[in-house]
Amino acid sequence: DIHMTQSPSSVSASVGDRVTITCRASQGITNWLVWYQQRPGKGPDLLIHAASTLEAGVPARFSGSGSGRDFTLTISSVQPEDFATYYCQQVDSTPYTFGQGTKLV
Amino acid sequence: QVQLVESGGGVVQPGWSLRLSCAASGFNFSDFGMHWVRQAPGKGLEWVGVISYDRSIVYYADSVKGRFTISRDNSKNTLFLQMNSLRAEDTAVYYCAKEGLTYTYFFYYGMDGWGQGTTVTVSS
Repeated sequence: DIHMTQSPSSVSASVGDRVTITCRASQGITNWLVWYQQRPGKGPDLLIHAASTLEAGVPARFSGSGSGRDFTLTISSVQPEDFATYYCQQVDSTPYTFGQGTKLV
Repeated sequence: QVQLVESGGGVVQPGWSLRLSCAASGFNFSDFGMHWVRQAPGKGLEWVGVISYDRSIVYYADSVKGRFTISRDNSKNTLFLQMNSLRAEDTAVYYCAKEGLTYTYFFYYGMDGWGQGTTVTVSS
């Protein structure tokens, strides 16, 4: 199985800050990496697929990059609605494993 | 818009069975693969399994293989998760989620629509 290591587990930020979350796969996954945002009590929302392609309707302050084993999610200017938990997931091969999550506080 | 509504959760004892359902609307259900994902209390997301649009492909996480069965009824726009031999570690909120690609056996896009979840508690 491919293990996904996300860091940090928690990140503190203020409105307007730039935040970067990293995700490392235990083996190469090309660009088959997606990012989700989850707010408390809700199902996740897909933000980015194929490592860097923004979903329709997702604000442009979100961006993704990386390939192979190392990936990043960046929020260029944190807004109040962005305080949530973020997960990466590899979709290269089953089981489609998630990172452990990063809580933006 | 995509709407997914899970049901069937509850409190059961270890070893019991439970069947979850997910009613879909707002999209052509029979065109898309469907996933189950769970989240234990206070924990992260765990992928449970996926079924292709035509039911020909089903994959499971090792933790549920042999105990859980994913199925679907395209005529009723409904996804199912049959859970047998339940254990305490199966306690979680269970989400159904829609794959982002149509007519695929390779689930590379990710899950672009999610339900609100149904809670399963396994306890004696």
